[in-house]
Amino acid sequence: SQTIHQWPATLVQPVGSPLSLECTVEGTSNPNLYWYRQAAGRGLQLLFYSVGIGQISSEVPQNLSASRPQDRQFILSSKKLLLSDSGFYLCASGRSSYNEQFFGPGTRLTVL
Amino acid sequence: KQEVTQIPAALSVPEGENLVLNCSFTDSAIYNLQWFRQDPGKGLTSLLLIQSSQREQTSGRLNASLDKSSGRSTLYIAASQPGDSATYLCAARGNQFYFGTGTSLTVIP
Repeated sequence: SQTIHQWPATLVQPVGSPLSLECTVEGTSNPNLYWYRQAAGRGLQLLFYSVGIGQISSEVPQNLSASRPQDRQFILSSKKLLLSDSGFYLCASGRSSYNEQFFGPGTRLTVL
Repeated sequence: KQEVTQIPAALSVPEGENLVLNCSFTDSAIYNLQWFRQDPGKGLTSLLLIQSSQREQTSGRLNASLDKSSGRSTLYIAASQPGDSATYLCAARGNQFYFGTGTSLTVIP
């Protein structure tokens, strides 16, 4: 099965500062990759997904962006964080529409 | 747009009890349905995946069923244990995964 790594595990950043969250995947090749945000008491919101290197689809317009510089690396970024960006960010991987989706351990982001 | 609902939002049961968690979805055109477990502050752990052509899947004390025509899935947990305490999420896969908001389960020793 796949193993997904995320770092950092926790992050506290001031409003207006930049952001870079990293996700790497082991145990598979050419996966579909996903970034989700989970706000307190709410469900998972899909932010971005990627079906290959350099291919990014955005589900929710906002001040976040994603990049996929390598097959098994997915990065979530922001130039200027907002208070509303606080939340639990999860990276996920799946081979296709018919396969399981696997999740990383998540990054807890607090914007002050 | 697909909407996924999980009822109840929270459930508390004594240890040893069998229980059923419910998941309903509005669009039956799905590839599969996946059940996850999430411990506080942690990522999601995959429990069971049911393809759209299947009726149920079993893993240990867990059994998940799928009825596409009625837009429902259930997760049955047999002989519950305190270690089963967690939030359980279902996700219906269409062009993307659509998640419910989860059922928070507490198993009382």
